[in-house]
Amino acid sequence: DGGITQSPKYLFRKEGQNVTLSCEQNLNHDAMYWYRQDPGQGLRLIYYSQIVNDFQKGDIAEGYSVSREKKESFPLTVTSAQKNPTAFYLCASRRGVSSGNTIYFGEGSWLTVV
Amino acid sequence: AQTVTQSQPEMSVQEAETVTLSCTYDTSENNYYLFWYKQPPSRQMILVIRQEAYKQQNATENRFSVNFQKAAKSFSLKISDSQLGDTAMYFCAFMKGSGGGADGLTFGKGTHLIIQP
Repeated sequence: DGGITQSPKYLFRKEGQNVTLSCEQNLNHDAMYWYRQDPGQGLRLIYYSQIVNDFQKGDIAEGYSVSREKKESFPLTVTSAQKNPTAFYLCASRRGVSSGNTIYFGEGSWLTVV
Repeated sequence: AQTVTQSQPEMSVQEAETVTLSCTYDTSENNYYLFWYKQPPSRQMILVIRQEAYKQQNATENRFSVNFQKAAKSFSLKISDSQLGDTAMYFCAFMKGSGGGADGLTFGKGTHLIIQP
């Protein structure tokens, strides 16, 4: 099946710990995104990448880092500098303009600080 | 910067009724895309419908249709013959056309739609 796979589904982080959320897509999309969702809120953009080895900060990048070494993969690291990391995280990828320019989402990952 | 406003935090209708969800946006762009996404309790974000700003014709997908008023910057979603499975959060989202939409979507805060049996 083609799609976007996020893992793990649930993750617990201790104070001061870095954790990495995985995102893999086999849709051959060039652009990938990470969004954060807090209760009762819409989605806010953390980072995005248009091509391999290139990425840009979104609206709430502080305390997060990403890499894009392969087209299929866009992992997100939540660092200890992120003071309030408990949230639902969604990875997404985008079809190109010629194919409708639409963004599709993975199933998400829950991160909880313990 | 773009903003998207959904003024109805929650709505509740009876099964089989028609319901309209409101969305307004603010932008200085002339070329853009608008979307409605559905997020059921599973939290999966599902694309419902999309609209290109340059198209005057309103988009339709089965029971879902939009009323796109470009001058008023309004993009409402109409769900006809509502079903229990339509119960979900609905998010309106904006994407710039310039740059090919590279910097992603700007979301509203969502409307929680409840379909009552």
